[in-house]
Amino acid sequence: DSGVTQTPKHLITATGQRVTLRCSPRSGDLSVYWYQQSLDQGLQFLIHYYNGEERAKGNILERFSAQQFPDLHSELNLSSLELGDSALYFCASSLHPGQGGTGELFFGEGSRLTVL
Amino acid sequence: GENVEQHPSTLSVQEGDSAVIKCTYSDSASNYFPWYKQELGKGPQLIIDIRSNVGEKKDQRIAVTLNKTAKHFSLHITETQPEDSAVYFCAALSRGYGQNFVFGPGTRLSVLP
Repeated sequence: DSGVTQTPKHLITATGQRVTLRCSPRSGDLSVYWYQQSLDQGLQFLIHYYNGEERAKGNILERFSAQQFPDLHSELNLSSLELGDSALYFCASSLHPGQGGTGELFFGEGSRLTVL
Repeated sequence: GENVEQHPSTLSVQEGDSAVIKCTYSDSASNYFPWYKQELGKGPQLIIDIRSNVGEKKDQRIAVTLNKTAKHFSLHITETQPEDSAVYFCAALSRGYGQNFVFGPGTRLSVLP
């Protein structure tokens, strides 16, 4: 158990809909990352938050947005869903080096989104 | 930005043999290179990492080597076991900690009994 919790584990929805994926990082971790993993594909970096602030953005679509709340949990919002958005969405957290961290990412078990 | 390539995409070995996975990166500023193992239905988990001031690191049956000049790093697994079967991802981190990990496309390793 990595200590990172993602909900829901599975989600089936229709094209055009909007969903929210939630991530609770490990206790004490200030950094949260979101990754998308399509079928048999690698991990595509979406976005990184540190202590509530956006730190880096990858190839995240404009239809997607994220935020990190004061309690450090994060949400990834996906709207106007398309068939191609079907994927596993992973959240990872890490401890900042200033906090004594090594840089290791701790991944949750993912949220599997199916768009029909 | 950083680009990480990984080869091979699939690898089958007999139990007890060695497995080698190679990665190259493009950003010379990258300074941290972790390897993650992803088992079916689970999130990736760190198995070993190496920093740019080190050339090689070992942890039991697993080792990683780094060639900064050539911008490539490799994962070596010796005496492979069926439980080593998984997808392995290399990654590179550039421009300081926690900013942007770029992952390779992954290698599916199958260890045949």
